[in-house]
Amino acid sequence: EIVLTQSPGTLSLSPGESATLSCRASQSVTSSYLAWYQHKPGQAPRLLIYGASSRATGIPDRFSGSGSGTDFTLTISRLEPEDFAVYYCQQYGSSPLYTFGQGTKLEIK
Amino acid sequence: EVQLVESGGGLVQPGGSLRLSCAASGFTVNTNYMTWVRQAPGKGLEWVSVIYSGGSTYYADSVKGRFTISRHNSENTVYLQMDSLRPEDTAVYYCARVRVTRMDVWGQGTTVIVSS
Repeated sequence: EIVLTQSPGTLSLSPGESATLSCRASQSVTSSYLAWYQHKPGQAPRLLIYGASSRATGIPDRFSGSGSGTDFTLTISRLEPEDFAVYYCQQYGSSPLYTFGQGTKLEIK
Repeated sequence: EVQLVESGGGLVQPGGSLRLSCAASGFTVNTNYMTWVRQAPGKGLEWVSVIYSGGSTYYADSVKGRFTISRHNSENTVYLQMDSLRPEDTAVYYCARVRVTRMDVWGQGTTVIVSS
């Protein structure tokens, strides 16, 4: 079973700054199988990045993903007030088929 | 417009059953992979179950043998039958469309509370 560990648990930043969120896998993950989501309280999660680095439809270019193997990164540049949320990485693979990281909370400083 | 709307959540006693529904619009559920994901209070997202377009189904170990995913093609709806419910099944349950490796359309969720 692949375990995804996200860091930091909480990130406190101000609008206009850049955020770097990490997702580390316990085993190598195929890059095309790694996705990132944004989740705000009371709302549906939103797909941001798939295939480790491809932006989903309608996602601003302030959001970018990178990485390979066991280390993946979500970078958010020029933070906007609406970007403060919880972010999850997710991988597709063997049992269980889909695994999420525990999440990183991005909060306003 | 592509949309998913969940329903069927509520309060149920331990050991009880509940059936969640996920009505899709803007696309057909039987030509897509469809999944259920849950979020327990104060916790992160946890994958629960998936049904492939060909009909194969898969479950997380935590619900295997207790939950059943299915779909009704003419109603364009996906279901999650939940039996032998436990307090740890308390969560918001989300339905999502799956593009094999990622979940690209999500519903707003329905809340399940398992408590006596």
